[in-house]
Amino acid sequence: DIVMTQTPLSLSVTPGQPASISCKSSQSLLHSDGKTYLYWYLQKPGQSPQLLIYEVSNRFSGVSDRFSGSGSGTDFTLKISRVEAEDVGVYYCMQSLQLDFGPGTKLEI
Amino acid sequence: QLQLQESGPGLVKPSETLSLTCTASGDSISSSSYYWGCVRQPPGKGLEWIGNIYYRGNTYYNPSLKSRVTISVDTSKNQFSLKLTSVTAADTAVYYCARYLAAAGTIYGYFDLWGRGTLVTVSS
Repeated sequence: DIVMTQTPLSLSVTPGQPASISCKSSQSLLHSDGKTYLYWYLQKPGQSPQLLIYEVSNRFSGVSDRFSGSGSGTDFTLKISRVEAEDVGVYYCMQSLQLDFGPGTKLEI
Repeated sequence: QLQLQESGPGLVKPSETLSLTCTASGDSISSSSYYWGCVRQPPGKGLEWIGNIYYRGNTYYNPSLKSRVTISVDTSKNQFSLKLTSVTAADTAVYYCARYLAAAGTIYGYFDLWGRGTLVTVSS
């Protein structure tokens, strides 16, 4: 089984400052088709999860360019260049080789 | 724009079967591009994938729940449904329906659209 871990599990950020969340998988998420099936979601308080990043580094439609994803193999990072109040919530990474979510990282202002 | 709406009883007794229906509006569920999935979230906890179904009826499930889960589709009603048997308090959660876009020819992809979720409580 592929195990997903995220660090930190919580972080407090001053508005305007950057933030970074790490996601690690116990096995490589690179498939033989050349794609890496790693995604990032944000669940704002009281809302459903919303997709931010697909296949490691591609921003989903309508997502602010303050969000960026990077990484390869087993190590991945979500970066927010300048945190805003609306970014508060829990961030999850997800892999779809064995469809599973990471434990989540709670971002507070 | 597609919308998904979950419906079902908010309270289920232990050992009984949880039934949830997801109704799609604004577009057809019979799209060759998408699977349809169920994800749950116990109160205050993280997300757990339950299973996915294709409009032709192909399914795949979370191995940890597979023995208790059945997902079916009714294209005439633009709906898909979840049944979870032998529920316990550990099955108390917000249950989400979601659309899943898979890479061509694979089951690998992501949830790109979610319903608002419905809380199901297991209690006598």
